[in-house]
Parts: sequence; C-alpha cells; structure tokens
Amino acid sequence: GIQVEQSPPDLILQEGANSTLRCNFSDSVNNLQWFHQNPWGQLINLFYIPSGTKQNGRLSATTVATERYSLLYISSSQTTDSGVYFCAVEGSERQLTFGSGTQLTVLP
Amino acid sequence: ETGVTQSPTHLIKTRGQQVTLRCSSQSGHNTVSWYQQALGQGPQFIFQYYREEENGRGNFPPRFSGLQFPNYSSELNVNALELDDSALYLCASTPTPDRAAFFGQGTRLTVV
Repeated sequence: GIQVEQSPPDLILQEGANSTLRCNFSDSVNNLQWFHQNPWGQLINLFYIPSGTKQNGRLSATTVATERYSLLYISSSQTTDSGVYFCAVEGSERQLTFGSGTQLTVLP
Repeated sequence: ETGVTQSPTHLIKTRGQQVTLRCSSQSGHNTVSWYQQALGQGPQFIFQYYREEENGRGNFPPRFSGLQFPNYSSELNVNALELDDSALYLCASTPTPDRAAFFGQGTRLTVV
C-alpha cells in the first residue's frame, strides 16, 4: 500500500515563529488532507488539497502531486496551534493512509 | 448542519467481552469510515461503508465488523476483545467516497 512520511516528527517553536511541515507519499493520490488533532483526540480538517495551493488565515498548504509531497505552512504561530498535525492520503484504495504525525509545541 | 458524533466517548471493557461503538454521520454524508488510533500513532483504516454496503477493509481480523443504517449512521462491533484493542476509535463521514473526510471526536476504548 501507499506509504506516507511526515517530517519533522517533533517541532518546538516560540510564539510568533513560522514553520513548515512536510508530507511525502510513495504513489499517486486522489485525495490528500491535513488535520490537526486536538488534545481531546478529535481530528480537525485543515485542508483538502490533492493538488495546488490553498490558504486559510495563518495556515496555507501546497501539494505538488507530480513530485509526491505536500507542505503545511503555519505563520505567526500561537500556543493554540500546539498539537499533532497529520497528513493523510487516499490512493487507489478507498481508505485514508495517515503519516505518523508532527508533534508541534508552541511556547509562550 | 450537524457534525459527526460518536458514542460513547469513553468505555472500559474486560478482555474477551464484546463492544459496540456508534457513529452518526454528518448531514448529507452517505459514506462512513472507521479508524483505530493507538497511542502515539496515526489512525489505521478499519473499514468503510457506502450506502449500507462495505466498500473497503483494512488489515483487521473478522472480529471487527460493522453496519451502516438507512440514515447512514454506523456501528463498529468488536468481539473477543484483546488488550491490544485499547485505542481511540474514530469515525469519519464523507458526502461520497472520494471527498474530504470529517471526523467525530472519537471513542476511547480501554480493555483490561
């Protein structure tokens, strides 16, 4: 099946800093989503982005499908941005395959 | 528009018992998927239901089974619980199988 790798596994930032999270995948995909998992476990949709670039406030994402990677940018980070960020892809099978996540900690 | 809701939020069961977890899909969504998330890992796909039929299954044994009802709500049943079944179980719904998935808050199952 499709493999998904996320980097870095852990990231610690000061409030106000910018960051870039990366997701590499091993095969062509029909669907790519970025999620933020809150401390209570719920996965919050950030972007549905099988290709191209999208922006939502301080967050933006870019997927280059031909090169099999996606980037999530967080600008002017806030303590509330802390948590685990997951990239998930859907290939030819009807399932989302998740990476192992990036644990982001934003310090005040 | 209501979101995806799961019940119960927490559950403790004894090894060997059976458990049923429930999920109400987001309004207008006819596809429901279930995922298992062990501590410190990403969610793993269990199976998907589309219009009441199983539409894909991950690498889970047959003691993990499911149902989808005409109103598109869904159940996950796990028989003969094992300690390793302790995890967060997440339900996701989509308007069709190939669109963005929206997740519920999860059910945290502990098997003792």
